[in-house]
Amino acid sequence: DAGVIQSPRHEVTEMGQEVTLRCKPISGHNSLFWYRQTMMRGLELLIYFNNNVPIDDSGMPEDRFSAKMPNASFSTLKIQPSEPRDSAVYFCATRGQPYEKLFFGSGTQLSVL
Amino acid sequence: KQEVTQIPAALSVPEGENLVLNCSFTDSAIYNLQWFRQDPGKGLTSLLLIQSSQREQTSGRLNASLDKSSGRSTLYIAASQPGDSATYLCAVVTGANSKLTFGKGITLSVRP
Repeated sequence: DAGVIQSPRHEVTEMGQEVTLRCKPISGHNSLFWYRQTMMRGLELLIYFNNNVPIDDSGMPEDRFSAKMPNASFSTLKIQPSEPRDSAVYFCATRGQPYEKLFFGSGTQLSVL
Repeated sequence: KQEVTQIPAALSVPEGENLVLNCSFTDSAIYNLQWFRQDPGKGLTSLLLIQSSQREQTSGRLNASLDKSSGRSTLYIAASQPGDSATYLCAVVTGANSKLTFGKGITLSVRP
């Protein structure tokens, strides 16, 4: 398996633009997590899906953020409109069962100018 | 609310030293605990996973222990090497939703 695949690896955009981050989980993994990492706050859980259903979105900072998982092999995290304070590395991670290891993608480095 | 603490935030040691990285958590009702490694500009790689019923796990020069009742885990690295330089994060799984809560990590530098 190729692991968790995220795209793009880097995204530079201007304030106010829409940004869409993509994630392809490991085949067979039931749970998918979106995290944001910054120096100040470390890793923050944004939203968590189980069997394609959003379970906990309490970490989504504002209505500007939305996430979808239309099927078991694809998820998106959208920011509209983007702001400079959204600049961070966004990670997607997946696992099979709650007692199993979590596998991370390589992340998307987002810079909002 | 579960909180995970890793102190110190950074550590620098000479090559060859045995070292211990600490992780503490506030809610002892965990399902498991994982230690991760993160290299600069990269994602996190899972090193060891300890289930709540286990006391320790070993992989090569790494040994992780878990004391659930006291809310502590340690990652022991034997005979450290410059290639061990990275940030090490611990995370615990708790709650009905099996969420992971991460510590902020310890940035380790092993000097040649």
